[in-house]
Amino acid sequence: EIVLTQSPGTLSLSPGETATLSCRASQSISTTYLAWYQQKPGQPPRLLIYGASSRATGIPDRFSGSGSGTDFALTISRLEPEDFAVYYCQHYGMSRAYTFGQGTKLEIK
Amino acid sequence: EVQLVQSGAEVKKPGESLKISCKGSEYSFNNYWIGWVRQMPGKGLEWMGVIYPGDSDTRYSPSFQGQVTISADKSISTAYLQWSSLKASDTAMYYCARQGRGPYSKVFDYWGQGTLVTVSS
Repeated sequence: EIVLTQSPGTLSLSPGETATLSCRASQSISTTYLAWYQQKPGQPPRLLIYGASSRATGIPDRFSGSGSGTDFALTISRLEPEDFAVYYCQHYGMSRAYTFGQGTKLEIK
Repeated sequence: EVQLVQSGAEVKKPGESLKISCKGSEYSFNNYWIGWVRQMPGKGLEWMGVIYPGDSDTRYSPSFQGQVTISADKSISTAYLQWSSLKASDTAMYYCARQGRGPYSKVFDYWGQGTLVTVSS
């Protein structure tokens, strides 16, 4: 079973800055199976990135995903006030099993 | 527009049974896997299982196997999550979500609004 470990747990930044969130897998995974979601308080998660680096429909180009093997990252450039939220990485495995990381909270400094 | 509409919040006592629902619309419900995700208060996302409404093929997370039952009624485009005997530790928000197709076939591309289940004596 793949375990995803996200870091940091909390990231404090100001609007306009760049955020880099990390997701490390317990073993090498295909980029095809790595995704990122954003969740704001009181809302369901929203798909941001699939296939490690492809933006979902309607996602601004300020959001970008990268990585391979065991190390993946979500980068958010030019932070907007609405970007402050919790972010989860997700792996899709065998037998349609999903695994989520524990989340990174991006908060306003 | 694709929509997943979940049933309303529930307050139950330990030992009671419960079945919550998730109705899909504006897409071919039978042909997309539907998943359930738990989020305990202040915690992260946990995948519970998925079902293919077309033939009711169901997969469970080992953590939830035997604890819940996932089902679907394709005639009314609705998926269900049920418990036979609730525990206080089942208190959580439960989301249904659609597993996409094509490039979105390994992610949940649409989510329901969530159903809050509170179990308390």
